[in-house]
Amino acid sequence: NAGVTQTPKFRVLKTGQSMTLLCAQDMNHEYMYWYRQDPGMGLRLIHYSVGEGTTAKGEVPDGYNVSRLKKQNFLLGLESAAPSQTSVYFCASSRIPTGVYSGANVLTFGAGSRLTVL
Amino acid sequence: AQKVTQAQTEISVVEKEDVTLDCVYETRDTTYYLFWYKQPPSGELVFLIRRNSFDEQNEISGRYSWNFQKSTSSFNFTITASQVVDSAVYFCALSEAYSGAGSYQLTFGKGTKLSVIP
Repeated sequence: NAGVTQTPKFRVLKTGQSMTLLCAQDMNHEYMYWYRQDPGMGLRLIHYSVGEGTTAKGEVPDGYNVSRLKKQNFLLGLESAAPSQTSVYFCASSRIPTGVYSGANVLTFGAGSRLTVL
Repeated sequence: AQKVTQAQTEISVVEKEDVTLDCVYETRDTTYYLFWYKQPPSGELVFLIRRNSFDEQNEISGRYSWNFQKSTSSFNFTITASQVVDSAVYFCALSEAYSGAGSYQLTFGKGTKLSVIP
């Protein structure tokens, strides 16, 4: 089982360039998330999706767009990269609880994608 | 608004010492979930434990134990007889209970970097 796979693992961009990070999960999870991790800041939620065709903003959505055209894939796009977007990006997925108040999801994370914007 | 505070930024211990990582949280919810994740130097995020707000029993798993106290809004993590392989960044996280309306976000603390010296 691959779990959650992120591509690419490393990328260097110049300011103003665009790129897309791909997240794929093979666990049939409904929920998917994109987080960024910066030194001393922990993980902060960028965008998330509760199902195919849906997306929603997280804590730090500015400068990013996302799409969930297929249940197994969640794409994170940077239209015009800025140095402030230099970070490690983590994708995660989780199943939907089987019932109301039945429990919070355990997130399964990908290995991360390190992005540097010069 | 939810908040997780890990006041210890970095901790160094000598191998075989016990170490406790502190986690204090804030939430208005009466039902919530707490998590600990481990991020070893390789970078992936590994799930360690999930507890719900109704279960204040301490939990022990091998050398790991967790002390959940609602009265002080704390969910502390103790490693007994630490080993070099325990060297990692540890994140505490908080999530509201699933209520059937959209996703519920995982709020992370900023992490505690534990270094175990041989």
